Amino acid sequence: AQSVTQLDSQVPVFEEAPVELRCNYSSSVSVYLFWYVQYPNQGLQLLLKYLSGSTLVKGINGFEAEFNKSQTSFHLRKPSVHISDTAEYFCAVSEKGGYNKLIFGAGTRLAVHP
Amino acid sequence: EAQVTQNPRYLITVTGKKLTVTCSQNMNHEYMSWYRQDPGLGLRQIYYSMNVEVTDKGDVPEGYKVSRKEKRNFPLILESPSPNQTSLYFCASSLTIGNTIYFGEGSWLTVV
Repeated sequence: AQSVTQLDSQVPVFEEAPVELRCNYSSSVSVYLFWYVQYPNQGLQLLLKYLSGSTLVKGINGFEAEFNKSQTSFHLRKPSVHISDTAEYFCAVSEKGGYNKLIFGAGTRLAVHP
Repeated sequence: EAQVTQNPRYLITVTGKKLTVTCSQNMNHEYMSWYRQDPGLGLRQIYYSMNVEVTDKGDVPEGYKVSRKEKRNFPLILESPSPNQTSLYFCASSLTIGNTIYFGEGSWLTVV
């Protein structure tokens, strides 16, 4: 079975500052890794995903994440945030070769302040 | 435009009154699923379907039913809703295993 831990429930940050949202996972099998974003009163939008290959993954809106297999982590980063990045961010995993079930973390609420 | 459409988006209902949340996708996806989102718990899978007439339980199936009679539709049925089913529900679909999963905009359900 897989599990996902998002280490911060809330992250306040000032506009134009860098941000890192932390995600660790636990799994006995190989997994795919995802970050989704949920803007207020909206559905989930895929930010980026790691399936295989390069461990540094670039996504939409200037976000990137790095897969670290030894530390079982998949932290999300952005060098300079905007007010419009205020949202809830979810890290998720799914089992490679399994059916498309996503196991989500509890979410991190990113609040960008002017 | 590729879409996963859920209805209703907002609903307040009473305990025990059967309700159905519809989900439809226009991408000819084989795989569809339902999740519920609760504060501090993230999203948890309720049911999934690999194709027409093929459905199975996810992690939190109690109190829910689903059906997949057509490829595009995957309704979620609450036969006798209870207050602990108050939640935000998401329908999702993907072409097949390993492909990007698309989510609907969510359905806020309140059971009083």
